[in-house]
Amino acid sequence: NAGVTQTPKFQVLKTGQSMTLQCAQDMNHEYMSWYRQDPGMGLRLIHYSVGAGITDQGEVPNGYNVSRSTTEDFPLRLLSAAPSQTSVYFCASSYGLRDPRQEQYFGPGTRLTVT
Amino acid sequence: AQSVSQHNHHVILSEAASLELGCNYSYGGTVNLFWYVQYPGQHLQLLLKYFSGDPLVKGIKGFEAEFIKSKFSFNLRKPSVQWSDTAEYFCAVNPGTASKLTFGTGTRLQVTL
Repeated sequence: NAGVTQTPKFQVLKTGQSMTLQCAQDMNHEYMSWYRQDPGMGLRLIHYSVGAGITDQGEVPNGYNVSRSTTEDFPLRLLSAAPSQTSVYFCASSYGLRDPRQEQYFGPGTRLTVT
Repeated sequence: AQSVSQHNHHVILSEAASLELGCNYSYGGTVNLFWYVQYPGQHLQLLLKYFSGDPLVKGIKGFEAEFIKSKFSFNLRKPSVQWSDTAEYFCAVNPGTASKLTFGTGTRLQVTL
């Protein structure tokens, strides 16, 4: 199993540009989520999904969109990038409602810089 | 809404010193508790977790944590740290019936030789 994969690893955007961060998992996990990691603030939940076709907002959803058309993929879209979105983004997945006790598996992260 | 507090932001220890990192959460119901570790340049990995039973849980690499329900705490401990334990440590909580994790702000541990 590849686990949770994310692309790209690094990205530089100009203010106002749009892009999609890709996330995929091959563990048949129901639950997938996106976090951003900023110094001194830990990981904050952006959006999450409990299954294909179902998404919901986390703690810091503004400026981001998600969709979940398949179990495997959970892309994160930045519609109009802002410098405040400079961060490291992590995707994670787990068995979700089948067993909330199970750990979340994290991807390697995408380091995004918005100039 | 649930929240997680990690009081130590940056801890510096010499090799072989003992470690205790504090974690407190606020949530009135049943919770699942986790400690994750992020080594420099790497993604988060699970150290240990607690969901029921013995409140003292053991994880990988000699780490353990104790759940004290009356104090809403889940402190991480290791009797003797190694240089390779240099990393950032995150406490996280989810309600017993959902997977939505809330993380603390993290503790950066630096172990010196």
